[in-house]
Amino acid sequence: DVKVTQSSRYLVKRTGEKVFLECVQDMDHENMFWYRQDPGLGLRLIYFSYDVKMKEKGDIPEGYSVSREKKERFSLILESASTNQTSMYLCASSSRGGGKLFFGSGTQLSVL
Amino acid sequence: ILNVEQSPQSLHVQEGDSTNFTCSFPSSNFYALHWYRWETAKSPEALFVMTLNGDEKKKGRISATLNTKEGYSYLYIKGSQPEDSATYLCAFMGYNNNDMRFGAGTRLTVKP
Repeated sequence: DVKVTQSSRYLVKRTGEKVFLECVQDMDHENMFWYRQDPGLGLRLIYFSYDVKMKEKGDIPEGYSVSREKKERFSLILESASTNQTSMYLCASSSRGGGKLFFGSGTQLSVL
Repeated sequence: ILNVEQSPQSLHVQEGDSTNFTCSFPSSNFYALHWYRWETAKSPEALFVMTLNGDEKKKGRISATLNTKEGYSYLYIKGSQPEDSATYLCAFMGYNNNDMRFGAGTRLTVKP
């Protein structure tokens, strides 16, 4: 079974904390993505990566950074968590060339 | 920011009804259009990947069409069943990009 695994299903953090969300895929995919999902807004792209050590900003990168040191792992970092970053975060991966996305099960992050 | 728009935002139908949704996207720089189904408490799963103008895809009672010149795709569900209740998302990929931009989705509820 192919898999995209996100490290935590639920996470509660305090304002100002540094938060790491980890995502690992076992399909040797080149592309990896981080989205957040908020009611009525659908999936909004935060960052994506099309190769190791490569990263591109999506539509809402402010307050986030990413790291891709290995092909299978794509980390999302909240440098200083804020309450408006409370959301569901979804990681996805795909092969190069427009292949379908495979999603992780999501991390529901609450920032208090 | 690329505009990918879906309509309607939500839809309630009776079991057995046929229904359809619309996804509109930029007609220039087109590379691929995806449809996903997202059931509550699960991860989004790919339904179709469409790349050619005039493409028609079918999977059981669900089908999709693609018009890249005018920038729209339709998703059809024939004889809706309660298990079809989900949010249906479309996603656009541009030719020079590796990113996927999603619409806000159409939330379908099928009443028995």
